[in-house]
Formats: sequence, structure tokens, C-alpha cells
Amino acid sequence: EPEVTQTPSHQVTQMGQEVILRCVPISNHLYFYWYRQILGQKVEFLVSFYNNEISEKSEIFDDQFSVERPDGSNFTLKIRSTKLEDSAMYFCASDVLNYGYTFGSGTRLTVV
Amino acid sequence: SQQGEEDPQALSIQEGENATMNCSYKTSINNLQWYRQNSGRGLVHLILIRSNEREKHSGRLRVTLDTSKKSSSLLITASRAADTASYFCATDGSTGGFKTIFGAGTRLFVKA
Repeated sequence: EPEVTQTPSHQVTQMGQEVILRCVPISNHLYFYWYRQILGQKVEFLVSFYNNEISEKSEIFDDQFSVERPDGSNFTLKIRSTKLEDSAMYFCASDVLNYGYTFGSGTRLTVV
Repeated sequence: SQQGEEDPQALSIQEGENATMNCSYKTSINNLQWYRQNSGRGLVHLILIRSNEREKHSGRLRVTLDTSKKSSSLLITASRAADTASYFCATDGSTGGFKTIFGAGTRLFVKA
């Protein structure tokens, strides 16, 4: 069964450093998403991406965040200057068209 | 907010019993989805029900949707220990945007 692949599975970074979280969505999917889940809390929407541009973004997705689909297969989330409160599980998801998302296994980001 | 809110927050049952989880939401939707999350893992899509559907089945899962009450229920019949997980409902908006919002989830514990 097709999978969404996320790398790395765990990343530790110093506060203020830039991180790039990588995702390979399912190849025929057209819609891409990033969500995050702080330990023990809700799954929070960050951003959706379609046709090479951001479709929607949440209040969390401020100027420190950016997304890219650089080569037609990878979908990346960049955090420019990490803060302690960015520590969370970050999930990538993809979808054909509202048939239900396929999520990756997540990247656990720890900011120290 | 269009968030779904699940009820109960936690549910503990014996193996073989049925588990019912409810979800309420606030705004009009195009579809409602249910996901499962095992501890610390990614989310797994279970069922998507569209706003013009009232009931949907998938194996031991039965989902109902009442748009007049803005509520949905997920029934797991003949539960198994492996069903132990958190269950989330997720709603899109009817505005055509690309954003699905998750509720806080119901933690289900099935005792063997």
C-alpha cells in the first residue's frame, strides 16, 4: 500500500537554528498538508499546499515557517529560527481530493 | 471554530463490547472523517462520510452523521485489545478551503 514517508523520524536542534522536515507524499496525490501535535495535545493544522502554492495556513504558520515542493516529489517544511515551543510531532499528509488523508509517521522535533 | 469535539474524552471497555464515540462540530461541512492514532504514531484514516450521507460502514466500524444536529458517531463493534488507541474526528469547512481540523480525540482502552 502506498505510504507517505517522513524523514528524519527524530530531530534534535538548538534553539534559533533552522530545521527542514522532509516528506515524500504519495505520487498521484495532489494535495499536501503539514500538521503538528504537541505532546498530549490536539493535532493542529499548519498549512495546505496545492498546485505549487499554499492554499490555506493557520495562525501558527507565521513568517518563521515555509513550505516547498522543490522537485515534484519531496514536500518540505522549514522552520527558520526554532523556538522551544516548536517542539512537537510534525505530520505530513497527502490526499487525492477529499478522500481522506494519508499521514506519514511523523518527525519528532525537539528544540533544546 | 469549526473544530469537532469528541465525547467522551476517555473510554474503557472490555474486549468484545461495543465502543461508541461521538463528535460535535460547529459549522457546515462538506465531509467528516474519523482517524485512529496509536500512541506516539501517525494518524490512520478510518472513514470519510460526506454531508449528504447518513451512515457508512467499514468492517467493524459504523459511522453516522446528523447534519441537523452537527454531530457524528463512530461505533466499533466487538472491540479487540488492538483497538486501543485515540480516535479523532476531523471536519473540513464548506467554504471550499483546504483545511481539515481535528478534535481533541477520545482515548479508547480495550481490556483483554
